[in-house]
Amino acid sequence: EAGVVQSPRYKIIEKKQPVAFWCNPISGHNTLYWYRQNLGQGPELLIRYENEEAVDDSQLPKDRFSAERLKGVDSTLKIQPAELGDSAVYLCASRKLAGVGEQFFGPGTRLTVL
Amino acid sequence: SQQGEEDPQALSIQEGENATMNCSYKTSINNLQWYRQNSGRGLVHLILIRSNEREKHSGRLRVTLDTSKKSSSLLITASRAADTASYFCATDAGAGGTSYGKLTFGQGTILTVHP
Repeated sequence: EAGVVQSPRYKIIEKKQPVAFWCNPISGHNTLYWYRQNLGQGPELLIRYENEEAVDDSQLPKDRFSAERLKGVDSTLKIQPAELGDSAVYLCASRKLAGVGEQFFGPGTRLTVL
Repeated sequence: SQQGEEDPQALSIQEGENATMNCSYKTSINNLQWYRQNSGRGLVHLILIRSNEREKHSGRLRVTLDTSKKSSSLLITASRAADTASYFCATDAGAGGTSYGKLTFGQGTILTVHP
């Protein structure tokens, strides 16, 4: 079974530039999460999708961050414009919709904003 | 915001020794999960313990949960150099048997196992 796929793995941009991250979850996993992980910290949830619906985006900074999950499969997270404080690892995870269970994480995208 | 606090922040041991990490949290939970993260494999799920369970084992891992104290511990027995990683507890909020499906992670414990 293929794992969660993310791209790119690394991204370096100048501040005020836009950036986008892509995630392909495990096949059949209806729930998709985007997390941000700052250095030395645990991941923090940005947004959670159930199929194509964003059911929890309370921690997504909506002035500059946006996300979409068309057709309930792949997802894209965008930052526009990026700020220095956005430097972090952005993790995507997926889980089957029903029941209690583990989340499966992708390798993440390490973003550096200069 | 981080739900839990982990203790210690860093732990350094010799191969073959046991490693114990603790996690405290603040709100009611449906379950608590432990994850490992290293540069080679990213975040990987280790074990899940439900709120009505007190202890769970998986291979060299032993997890305990005390909901009255809102705390959990992870014991790794007979540690190996390959266990070197960061370990995170994550709480899945909920009550009455319902999971909210949302994990809140602690800050993690950095474990170094010397050969």
